[in-house]
Order: sequence, then structure tokens, then C-alpha cells
Amino acid sequence: EDKVVQSPLSLVVHEGDTVTLNCSYEVTNFRSLLWYKQEKKAPTFLFMLTSSGIEKKSGRLSSILDKKELFSILNITATQTGDSAIYLCAVSSGGYQKVTFGTGTKLQVIP
Amino acid sequence: KAGVTQTPRYLIKTRGQQVTLSCSPISGHRSVSWYQQTPGQGLQFLFEYFSETQRNKGNFPGRFSGRQFSNSRSEMNVSTLELGDSALYLCASSFDRKDGELFFGEGSRLTVL
Repeated sequence: EDKVVQSPLSLVVHEGDTVTLNCSYEVTNFRSLLWYKQEKKAPTFLFMLTSSGIEKKSGRLSSILDKKELFSILNITATQTGDSAIYLCAVSSGGYQKVTFGTGTKLQVIP
Repeated sequence: KAGVTQTPRYLIKTRGQQVTLSCSPISGHRSVSWYQQTPGQGLQFLFEYFSETQRNKGNFPGRFSGRQFSNSRSEMNVSTLELGDSALYLCASSFDRKDGELFFGEGSRLTVL
């Protein structure tokens, strides 16, 4: 059975801190790894990674994938209170649209 | 371009009843997936439809079913509701059914009493 594990489950940081969120996976026929941010209801897409070692960046957020070790990290630098959210890691696998999610990391950024 | 629309947004049912949730995907998207989200389990995959055909199914009992119409709109049905079915049900659509990028609706919050 496909499995995605995220750590830590939650963390609290101060504004300006840098955080690293972890995601490991075990899936059959890996296609891509995705990061989503969920603030209230609808998760919103952040990154999709398909190749090892290539960093994706968007502002203060960046992510990288290691397909050999089966993990990914999401970095957030200079955190702001608006970064407070649940960050979801997901893996797309198989021939069709099967996307397996981890339980998420709840990030709280305090002023 | 309108996003993914889910109805109803909130509903309360009692044990033993059934419920139908609706999802309208982004125009042009043909893949629709359903997820159940609970605090302890995170997002659990229910099923995925593409061109009116169920392509993937998660590990949920047969009380959970769905369908997709020719206009790509999708419905999911839960029969004989149990307390444990209380959750946020999220629908997601995508254009390319293989790349994994999903666009989520706001969800339907189901409470079973």
C-alpha cells in the first residue's frame, strides 16, 4: 500500500525563523511528489517535483526531491505569520490519478 | 475561470441516513478525485473518475460510491451513515490525469449525529 509520512506533525516558530518540513514516501510506480498548503479549507498547490536534485523555488519557499532516498523537504525562510497553515505532501503514482497524501505538518508562526 | 465548486458546504445528518455531495470541476478538467479529511487521518483517497469511469478506488467500504456525468460533474454518495463518517469531503479536479496537480474545492463539511 502506498505510504507518505510527514514530519514533524506540528511546530511553532517565531517570525523570521527558517523551517524545514520533511516528507518520505513508499509508493509503487512513482510519478511525482507534490506540496500543498492548506490554510482554511481548500489545499492550494505549491510545487510539483519529478526529478531528483532539482530545487524548485517560489519566493521564500523551496523544495527538493531525493528519489534515491525517497524523500523531499520543503524549506520556508524568513517565516511570516501568513505562513501559518497545514503543509501537505502528496505523491502521484501508478498509471492514473492516484494521489496519496501524508497527514500534514501544522506550522504556526508567532510574531 | 471559476474554481472547483462543491455543494452543499455544510450538512448535518443522523446515523443511518444517506447523503449525496456534488462537485463541479474547473471547466475543461476531466479528472475528478474525492478525499475524506479528518483530523487524525489527514486526506484519505476515496476514488477518482475520468471520462465517467472510475479509475482508482481507495480503501473505503462499499457504502461510499460515486459517479461522474458527461459534463465532468461528479457526485459521491454515502449510505447508512455512521458517526465516523463525520469529516470534510474534498473534491479535486485536474486537466492532465497523470501529473498529479490537483485543484481543490472548499469542501463539504458533513456532521453525523
